[in-house]
Amino acid sequence: EPEVTQTPSHQVTQMGQEVILRCVPISNHLYFYWYRQILGQKVEFLVSFYNNEISEKSEIFDDQFSVERPDGSNFTLKIRSTKLEDSAMYFCASSVSVNTEAFFGQGTRLTVV
Amino acid sequence: GENVEQHPSTLSVQEGDSAVIKCTYSDSASNYFPWYKQELGKGPQLIIDIRSNVGEKKDQRIAVTLNKTAKHFSLHITETQPEDSAVYFCAAIGSQGGSEKLVFGKGMKLTVNP
Repeated sequence: EPEVTQTPSHQVTQMGQEVILRCVPISNHLYFYWYRQILGQKVEFLVSFYNNEISEKSEIFDDQFSVERPDGSNFTLKIRSTKLEDSAMYFCASSVSVNTEAFFGQGTRLTVV
Repeated sequence: GENVEQHPSTLSVQEGDSAVIKCTYSDSASNYFPWYKQELGKGPQLIIDIRSNVGEKKDQRIAVTLNKTAKHFSLHITETQPEDSAVYFCAAIGSQGGSEKLVFGKGMKLTVNP
């Protein structure tokens, strides 16, 4: 069964450092997403990406965040200068189209110290 | 924008009992309502979804109902088993401005006791 894969599974970084979280969406999917989940809280939308550009983003997704699809398979989330409050589980997801099943990856646990 | 509320936040049942999770949403134009199951250390996994043109959908032991007038939808799990223990999230996709984002409820931790 096809799946969304994310690397690394756990990333520890110092405050102020840049991190890149990586995702490989399902190959025939066209819509890509990043969500985050702070420990014990709800899953929150960060950004959606379609046709090589951001199609929607939340208030959380400020100038410190960026996404990129550097090649035909990877989809990355970059946080330029991490803050303690960026510590969370980050989930990548993909879907064939809008309003259809979004498949989630296993997540990357980001810990900012 | 869309707001999804979910309750209860925790539920403990005995194996074989039924479990019901209720959610409400605010955007009357929302048209897609998935339910996700999240096991410890894993990503959310879709277990069932329903669209606004359908009132009820069933898949083996799980069923979802949607009341568009009241703007609420519910997940029903019958004959619960210990492996049903997980956190369950409801979600909705609003249609304002062609939004693509899933708006999640806060989740409900279900514990099924053997």
